[in-house]
Amino acid sequence: KAGVTQTPRYLIKTRGQQVTLSCSPISGHRSVSWYQQTPGQGLQFLFEYFSETQRNKGNFPGRFSGRQFSNSRSEMNVSTLELGDSALYLCASSQNRGIGTDTQYFGPGTRLTVL
Amino acid sequence: LAKTTQPISMDSYEGQEVNITCSHNNIATNDYITWYQQFPSQGPRFIIQGYKTKVTNEVASLFIPADRKSSTLSLPRVSLSDTAVYYCLVGPDTGRRALTFGSGTRLQVQP
Repeated sequence: KAGVTQTPRYLIKTRGQQVTLSCSPISGHRSVSWYQQTPGQGLQFLFEYFSETQRNKGNFPGRFSGRQFSNSRSEMNVSTLELGDSALYLCASSQNRGIGTDTQYFGPGTRLTVL
Repeated sequence: LAKTTQPISMDSYEGQEVNITCSHNNIATNDYITWYQQFPSQGPRFIIQGYKTKVTNEVASLFIPADRKSSTLSLPRVSLSDTAVYYCLVGPDTGRRALTFGSGTRLQVQP
């Protein structure tokens, strides 16, 4: 079974621009979560989508948004980029069986550099 | 959410067994313990998950004492390729369905 895929793998943007990142979850997984990883803050939760609805949201400004499509693929968008948005953006998918725990499987990430 | 405490770093040599202990004193009854491995500029990779006693898979073993206030990830006969950051997490946080990562343990394996 193919793993979580993210595109693009690397991206360079300038301040003020916007960017869209894409994530394709593992087949059959319905929940997609996004995380931001920086050297200073570590791995931080952005938001989670299930059945095209945002279920949970972390403590990030409104410039960070996302959506999920009917095939469970997800995109996240960052508008008005700031230098501090430079990070590794990770997508994780899970089955969301709702029992016990719901293991999340991560993609390789998108490295965003804001100049 | 149960907070976790792990050593910041550990050093080992190839062929040795490495044990990384994680403390989670406030673990809840319905929390599981999950370990992830992360290489630089890659997404975390699921290693192992358990609730109590001992769990073993082809990669590692997880030891959880009866009080569940700590857990130990055991990596048998490490190699250079096991050099990575290892994260211990407890959850899920069923309300947020989000993983909370701590600082992790940076394992350096030397030849």
